[in-house]
Amino acid sequence: QKEVEQDPGPLSVPEGAIVSLNCTYSNSAFQYFMWYRQYSRKGPELLMYTYSSGNKEDGRFTAQVDKSSKYISLFIRDSQPSDSATYLCAMKEHGGSQGNLIFGKGTKLSVKP
Amino acid sequence: DAMVIQNPRYQVTQFGKPVTLSCSQTLNHNVMYWYQQKSSQAPKLLFHYYDKDFNNEADTPDNFQSRRPNTSFCFLDIRSPGLGDAAMYLCATSRDGTGQGYGYTFGSGTRLTVV
Repeated sequence: QKEVEQDPGPLSVPEGAIVSLNCTYSNSAFQYFMWYRQYSRKGPELLMYTYSSGNKEDGRFTAQVDKSSKYISLFIRDSQPSDSATYLCAMKEHGGSQGNLIFGKGTKLSVKP
Repeated sequence: DAMVIQNPRYQVTQFGKPVTLSCSQTLNHNVMYWYQQKSSQAPKLLFHYYDKDFNNEADTPDNFQSRRPNTSFCFLDIRSPGLGDAAMYLCATSRDGTGQGYGYTFGSGTRLTVV
């Protein structure tokens, strides 16, 4: 079993839809959880950052972490065509010396106008 | 704007011909990372520097080397590129090893083609 599992999609939704993206993981030592957005032929950019369990909201984006289930989610409300990208979850152990951020494979999202 | 800049954006090299990719940062971050990302796959950490301390991942091939002459610059050297090394190479930085608060900042990547 890979450390981080993420459904690669692709996921296609109409503009305005609510999008739910998910990752599961096996390492209970993960404490830092992130979502990155990667446009085609670009580097990933940090979208959301959460420490330990709980929810975090930023505009149309909400990140949830359920450590008991080893499950994290990213919700996008009122999705826009500009949200079309690959979304990568990433996570890291608490106090890990330097690196390693473990990524999921990414989910490719397409929002149709 | 403070950022991570990778050059070149696209690099074509011949099989077996050494190639160097570069990364510079204006964030003054302590840690710099090199990731390899193949199509539809997760970025894979090759190595990282915490200041001048070099940390190699156990499964990084010997064919890959890195140099960090100063805080701002880091280079990825591929001594004898094979067809399997064709990928996007991502440079990233973080303030410290935890990436706490702000995660990692990535450059736009260098797409390497081996012919």
